[in-house]
Amino acid sequence: EVQLVETGGGLIQPGGSLRLSCAASGFTVSSNYMSWVRQAPGKGLEWVSVIYSGGSTYYADSVKGRFTISRDNSKNTLYLQMNSLRAEDTAVYYCARALPTRYGNWYFDLWGRGTLVTVSS
Amino acid sequence: EIVMTQSPATLSVSPGERATLSCRASQSVSSNLAWYQQKPGQAPRLLIYGASTRATGIPARFSGSGSGTEFTLTISSLQSEDFAVYYCQQYNNWPPNTFGQGTKLEIK
Repeated sequence: EVQLVETGGGLIQPGGSLRLSCAASGFTVSSNYMSWVRQAPGKGLEWVSVIYSGGSTYYADSVKGRFTISRDNSKNTLYLQMNSLRAEDTAVYYCARALPTRYGNWYFDLWGRGTLVTVSS
Repeated sequence: EIVMTQSPATLSVSPGERATLSCRASQSVSSNLAWYQQKPGQAPRLLIYGASTRATGIPARFSGSGSGTEFTLTISSLQSEDFAVYYCQQYNNWPPNTFGQGTKLEIK
């Protein structure tokens, strides 16, 4: 079955760090564009970061310099390292597969169920 | 950054009736527009991409239209499982890909 399963969320104090994991099954992470999208409580969806199959990475301005997206090909797993966490980073974090078009842009064709990150003292 | 605006915020429709959801972009996104469905506690699901192409496994009662700055998602005959929150997303200008704030489709 093709699926994504996120883990690693939890309660963390402001300024702290957390690493989220996204285990993929049924397809190869390294051969695909993979992304993180978050949703603050009661709010809409916000794109966070993407890693291309070639390894290039991009970030939303709100997390640039604090978050790092990466992958472990041997584990077929995507990661999001989150440092210097703020209260406004509180959200459900979804892992998503990004399907590229021939023009180089992309949309999300497969999503995980998400993991909740709460930043609070 | 392109701002996506969805309307209405909440739409009340009876089962079996048609629902029409709107999405407007602050500048042209061509046909680079996707629609997603999200039910409580579940992952979002891709419904439509390229403004009008149904994703794999999506029933024919879901249709998308529009280009440029104005888009519509139509559900022709609402089933009980269709009541959810719907998001549009542009992927023409990135980063960032931006989402609308969502339309909640509820049972009337």
